[in-house]
Amino acid sequence: KAGVTQTPRYLIKTRGQQVTLSCSPISGHRSVSWYQQTPGQGLQFLFEYFSETQRNKGNFPGRFSGRQFSNSRSEMNVSTLELGDSALYLCASEEGPTNEQFFGPGTRLTVL
Amino acid sequence: AQSVTQPDIHITVSEGASLELRCNYSYGATPYLFWYVQSPGQGLQLLLKYFSGDTLVQGIKGFEAEFKRSQSSFNLRKPSVHWSDAAEYFCAVGPPYNNNDMRFGAGTRLTVKP
Repeated sequence: KAGVTQTPRYLIKTRGQQVTLSCSPISGHRSVSWYQQTPGQGLQFLFEYFSETQRNKGNFPGRFSGRQFSNSRSEMNVSTLELGDSALYLCASEEGPTNEQFFGPGTRLTVL
Repeated sequence: AQSVTQPDIHITVSEGASLELRCNYSYGATPYLFWYVQSPGQGLQLLLKYFSGDTLVQGIKGFEAEFKRSQSSFNLRKPSVHWSDAAEYFCAVGPPYNNNDMRFGAGTRLTVKP
């Protein structure tokens, strides 16, 4: 099976813009989680989607949102970008309630 | 609240030497425990996991980890390190059947000397 794919791999935006990141999970996986990784804060949970529904959300402002489509692909959107949003955004998929997540390579977002 | 502590930010070992990376967690019950590895510019790869049963867990790439309930620890070990093991290692904990509250440690960066 193909692994988790994320597009684009690299992105440069300016403050105030918005951005959409995409994640395609492993075939058959219905759960997709998003994480933000920064040198200062480490890995932080953003949100998780399961069967097109957001199951839980981490402690991030409303500028961060996401959705999941019927084919389990997920998108994450960040509006009104701030410099502090520069990070590696990781997506992980999971087949079922085993907590065994498979991570994609991430999208490196740089906000100038 | 659950938390994960990796006391060592950076460890340097010689190739062929043994390795132990420490992980301590705080959780009300026995959580699910994981070790991930991240190479530069890459995503996370699962090395091993502990859900229940035998407290010594074997993973990929020759790694193993031992769950010690009394010490709230889940240390990662490898008997002989290879240069390709240089990477960042993350310990993570999560409640059973609920990955939306998964917590990661700050990571330990491993450097391997020739």
